[in-house]
Amino acid sequence: QVQLVQSGAEVKKPGASVKVSCKASGYTFTSYDINWVRQATGQGLEWMGWMNPNSGNTGYAQKFQGRVTMTRNTSISTAYMELSSLRSEDTAVYYCARVITMVQGASGYWGQGTLVTVSS
Amino acid sequence: DIQMTQSPSSLSASVGDRVTITCRASQSISSYLNWYQQKPGKAPKLLIYAASSLQSGVPSRFSGSGSGTDFTLTISSLQPEDFATYYCQQSYSTPPDWFTFGPGTKVDIK
Repeated sequence: QVQLVQSGAEVKKPGASVKVSCKASGYTFTSYDINWVRQATGQGLEWMGWMNPNSGNTGYAQKFQGRVTMTRNTSISTAYMELSSLRSEDTAVYYCARVITMVQGASGYWGQGTLVTVSS
Repeated sequence: DIQMTQSPSSLSASVGDRVTITCRASQSISSYLNWYQQKPGKAPKLLIYAASSLQSGVPSRFSGSGSGTDFTLTISSLQPEDFATYYCQQSYSTPPDWFTFGPGTKVDIK
């Protein structure tokens, strides 16, 4: 079965960077795009960007342009999301999610989420 | 930019009620509209994709309709496990916003 397992919670200081990993199993990693979505406590879902694990191509939400980098290591079926210049407003749960098909952008498989806390 | 709105922002309903949630896009997105359910502390769950296609394993009491700018999620007979927050998402997939979510609709018990 498809599984996405994310790295553990992180605590970072303002101005630092965080890198969250998302290890995929149960399917061919390079065959489906990965999206990253975040959610601050009590707030809605915020789409951050997508990555094609085969080509490495990415697309980032305008809000995160210049601060976010999405990469992958195909040898270990793992996607990464790195967010830099962290501020308190970046405190949130970060999710990776796999699309259901390459035609449909809907995310049908989700990781368990990674809490990133930004605090001095 | 494609902006997504949802109405209502919250609603109270009883078990067995028919519930309708509306999602509107700021420009036409054809049928590139998805619906998710999220319960507290859990990852979102895909319910409907491409406006009206039921994701595998999702109960048939959930249905979606619409195209262009106006979309609807309907729960035909609300069950206790359906109390949650529902989000629409456009997947028209053009920059700069690619896959924007709506603000969500919280469904709670009357």
